[in-house]
Parts: sequence; C-alpha cells; structure tokens
Amino acid sequence: EDQVTQSPEALRLQEGESSSLNCSYTVSGLRGLFWYRQDPGKGPEFLFTLYSAGEEKEKERLKATLTKKESFLHITAPKPEDSATYLCAVQAGNGGATNKLIFGTGTLLAVQP
Amino acid sequence: GAVVSQHPSWVICKSGTSVKIECRSLDFQATTMFWYRQFPKQSLMLMATSNEGSKATYEQGVEKDKFLINHASLTLSTLTVTSAHPEDSSFYICSARDRGRGREKLFFGSGTQLSVL
Repeated sequence: EDQVTQSPEALRLQEGESSSLNCSYTVSGLRGLFWYRQDPGKGPEFLFTLYSAGEEKEKERLKATLTKKESFLHITAPKPEDSATYLCAVQAGNGGATNKLIFGTGTLLAVQP
Repeated sequence: GAVVSQHPSWVICKSGTSVKIECRSLDFQATTMFWYRQFPKQSLMLMATSNEGSKATYEQGVEKDKFLINHASLTLSTLTVTSAHPEDSSFYICSARDRGRGREKLFFGSGTQLSVL
C-alpha cells in the first residue's frame, strides 16, 4: 500500500536556527514527490516537485532533496514568516492510475523571533 | 502563477440542507480537478477525481450520492454536499491540473470550511 509518513509532527525553531523536515514514502513506482506549504485555513501552496533520487531543488531558504525512500526539506536560517504546515505528497505510477496525490499528515513548523 | 479560486471560503448550514462549493481555474483550462477533505490536524484525503465532461471517480468509502460532483466546463467544477450532517463538517479543498504546464503541477484552491449545525 502506498504510504507517506512525515516527521516530526511539530517543530519549534528559533529564528536563524536551521533544521530539516523528513518525508518517508513507500510507493509502487514514484512519479513525483511534492512539497507544499499550508497556512491555517488556506489551501496548500506549491513549493517543489522532485522526480528522481539525487535531485535537489531550492527556493529562498528552502531546499528539497530526494532519495529512493525519503525526502528532506531543509530550512536554512528560518524566519517567523516561514511558520506553517509543510505537506509532502507522492504521486504513484502504477499504470493507468490518475494523477492523484497521497499526502502525509504534515509538519507544523513554528519559528520564534 | 496559476490561480484556482474556490468559493465560498466558509459556510454554516443546518443539518439536512445541501451546500454547493465551486472551484474555478482562473487562467488555465483544467481537464482534471480533485476534491479533498481535511479534518483538523489530519492529512488531505482525496475524495474524488473530477474529469471534464464525464462522471467523477470516487475514492473508496466516499458516497457518490452524497457528494455530487459536476465538471461541466474546463474551468469549473462543483462539489455539492447533499443533506449535510454534522459529521460532514470539514475543510474541503479543490485542486486543478494545468495541462499547459505539465502533469506535475497541481494548484489548490483556498479551501472551504463547512460547519453543519
């Protein structure tokens, strides 16, 4: 069964304190791994898509990496405005499937000034 | 960037009434839209896949007669929660795939918080 697990559930950082969020997955044929940011009461905001092991993508203070079984979202010198829930999702490629995403439960990040 | 508009943002209704939620792609054509439900502190759960001009595909355990989906055009999909009950109270989110940008990008609406009294 395709599954996505994110850790930690919650993370509290001081401003400037770098850290990483983890997304572990088991899926039958990975077509893509997605990172989203979700603010309270809002829909997810797209951050990155990763397709193959070894791939990395960066955007401002965020950097996403991918291996064959997990992805990391590295946050460098975070600011309070980075506080949000970060969601990881995978798209499985099992022949004829729709492009549906399987989401993890997210990591709630709080960055204190 | 691509924009997906979802309305209303929140709705409060009495038990037994029906509620319609709209999802529009504002600057691209979406042949496929997805409807998710999210309970507090839980992950987004896919309810159904909506394909323009055809019947929606529902996930296991989702009642198609209760959650009516219509995707009549390339820019609009609607979700109607029929005879809503308190257990239907949740955050509903739609997403749309921009076929002009490749299959990997899905854009989400801002969500609809439904509270059934």
